[in-house]
Order: sequence, then structure tokens, then C-alpha cells
Amino acid sequence: EAQVTQNPRYLITVTGKKLTVTCSQNMNHEYMSWYRQDPGLGLRQIYYSMNVEVTDKGDVPEGYKVSRKEKRNFPLILESPSPNQTSLYFCASSFRLAGELLGMFNEQFFGPGTRLTVL
Amino acid sequence: SQQGEEDPQALSIQEGENATMNCSYKTSINNLQWYRQNSGRGLVHLILIRSNEREKHSGRLRVTLDTSKKSSSLLITASRAADTASYFCAVCPGFQKLVFGTGTRLLVSP
Repeated sequence: EAQVTQNPRYLITVTGKKLTVTCSQNMNHEYMSWYRQDPGLGLRQIYYSMNVEVTDKGDVPEGYKVSRKEKRNFPLILESPSPNQTSLYFCASSFRLAGELLGMFNEQFFGPGTRLTVL
Repeated sequence: SQQGEEDPQALSIQEGENATMNCSYKTSINNLQWYRQNSGRGLVHLILIRSNEREKHSGRLRVTLDTSKKSSSLLITASRAADTASYFCAVCPGFQKLVFGTGTRLLVSP
């Protein structure tokens, strides 16, 4: 089954304790992204990757790191979480259409989400 | 901001009625997408419409795009209780950007 998986689904942690949220897709997609969703603010892009070893900042990258060492995996790292990072996080992947300009986002396949609480 | 903005923020209808949601944006776009989200779950892609297209259909869904007005609408015909969800538009204004709106909450009552 084609899917994007995220782990953990729920996490409660304390300020300053490093954590990693994993994301994996089995569709051989080139593009992967991380979003956070907060009430009244919609989804905001944190980081994205257009291919292995190629990552770039989205709209709200402060306090986050990512890596793309393999095409299928795109972990989100919070080196020193703070309470304002309490949010619902989504990983997403998408394909690149043949002949399309690099960086044009098509249909996004979303993971089930990770609800993070930082105390 | 290039953010898509949905209107209305909330919509309550009866089963069988049509539901229309609108999305406005501020810049030129490559494509515009609509997604559905059931309470706290992952978003599900509904339709993508490109800037050179004016209308697309998928089952009971119809999306229109008016680039001169920088707006799009999503019509759900013959709504069902299972259509209850939040609906988001996302605009791709170009290179490496996909910007989501804040969504329309749709409630379909039996």
C-alpha cells in the first residue's frame, strides 16, 4: 500500500530534550515536506526536500532541523524543543512530473500526523 | 502573504444540499489544490487545477479557477454526512512553495 508513515503519532516531552520524528514514504517520491498545523493558522511549511541531500527552509524553520540521506526518509529533528513547538506535525511527499520545472509542488500525500506537546 | 484564504470559515448544511467553498489568493500561481481533513487526521488530496485550466471535476466535486479574480471555488454536490470535514486550498505560486489557507469547516447534518 502506497503510504507515508510517521512515528511517533503522539509525543509528550519536556523543554530542551532532543527528539526526532521519523517520516518514510514508499512511493519513490522526489519531494518531501514537513508542515505544522496550529489552530487558526492552517498548515505552515517547516522544511522541504527536492531530492537526496537537498533540503531547504520553508516558512517556519526556526528550531527545526531535517536531513535527507535516503530518498524514502525525511526525519524532523527538534534539538531543543520549546513549548511554542507544541503542534500537530505532518510529513508529506509528492512526485515530480516528467518535464516539469523543478520545485513545482503537485498532489501531496500526507502522513497521519504527529501530535507533539512540549511541557 | 501569498496564503490562500477560504471563505466561509464554517458552513453548516443538510444532507443532499450542495456546499460551496471559496479560496482567494494574492499572486500568480502555477496550480491550486484542494484538500480534505477529517478531525486531526492527515490531509487527503481532492483536486489539482493548473493555472491554464478553468474547471475540473472529480465525482461529486467541481473546482473552478478564475485567475483574473485570483479565486477558486470547490463545489460538493449532493452532500453526505461523510463529507463533514475541513477543506483547505493550497496555492503553488511557483518555485518551491505551496501555501495552505486556514480552511473551511463543513458540517453536513443527516
